[in-house]
Amino acid sequence: DAKTTQPPSMDCAEGRAANLPCNHSTISGNEYVYWYRQIHSQGPQYIIHGLKNNETNEMASLIITEDRKSSTLILPHATLRDTAVYYCIVRVVGGSEKLVFGKGTKLTVNP
Amino acid sequence: NAGVTQTPKFRILKIGQSMTLQCTQDMNHNYMYWYRQDPGMGLKLIYYSVGAGITDKGEVPNGYNVSRSTTEDFPLRLELAAPSQTSVYFCASSYSQGDQPQHFGDGTRLSIL
Repeated sequence: DAKTTQPPSMDCAEGRAANLPCNHSTISGNEYVYWYRQIHSQGPQYIIHGLKNNETNEMASLIITEDRKSSTLILPHATLRDTAVYYCIVRVVGGSEKLVFGKGTKLTVNP
Repeated sequence: NAGVTQTPKFRILKIGQSMTLQCTQDMNHNYMYWYRQDPGMGLKLIYYSVGAGITDKGEVPNGYNVSRSTTEDFPLRLELAAPSQTSVYFCASSYSQGDQPQHFGDGTRLSIL
């Protein structure tokens, strides 16, 4: 699985959009980009994933660059409850389906 | 709407003791996983299973054993507990095909003293 690089921490004002970047320059054609988050010490929570196209769901939007070497997770209107560690993971589909977690980005949403 | 259920939530063991961490899921997922998370770090895969009767090692399997006799249950066994196994343990499950995400339990916080 390709490795990812994320900033260790970010801050965002409540009500503003939070844009979390991820670099995955060695991603291969059959690898998806997944985003999870972990609030306090709870189990990781799935947010969104994509292969090539931009994706949106009720939680967030995922923007993947055309060359697929980087992506951005967007939380459109961050709330205090969005304070968490966000993990960007690339994963080959069709294998063991295991996830390789890095250290992620600690997002702090400030009032 | 149970999802992935882990028991116990907390446990303190003495060095050399053994125990089993329980994990069960009610989503009929074929794939199940065990991860551990040390303070300030990301999760590391211990063992995984792609179906009943099939298990395989992950990144950090030493000191652990697993079994998968049913689709629903995937217990993790610690034999001869050591302080290095103090960690938070997460179980997860997913569908076997396609790009489906993993669903995680709330974890078991284990201290070895």
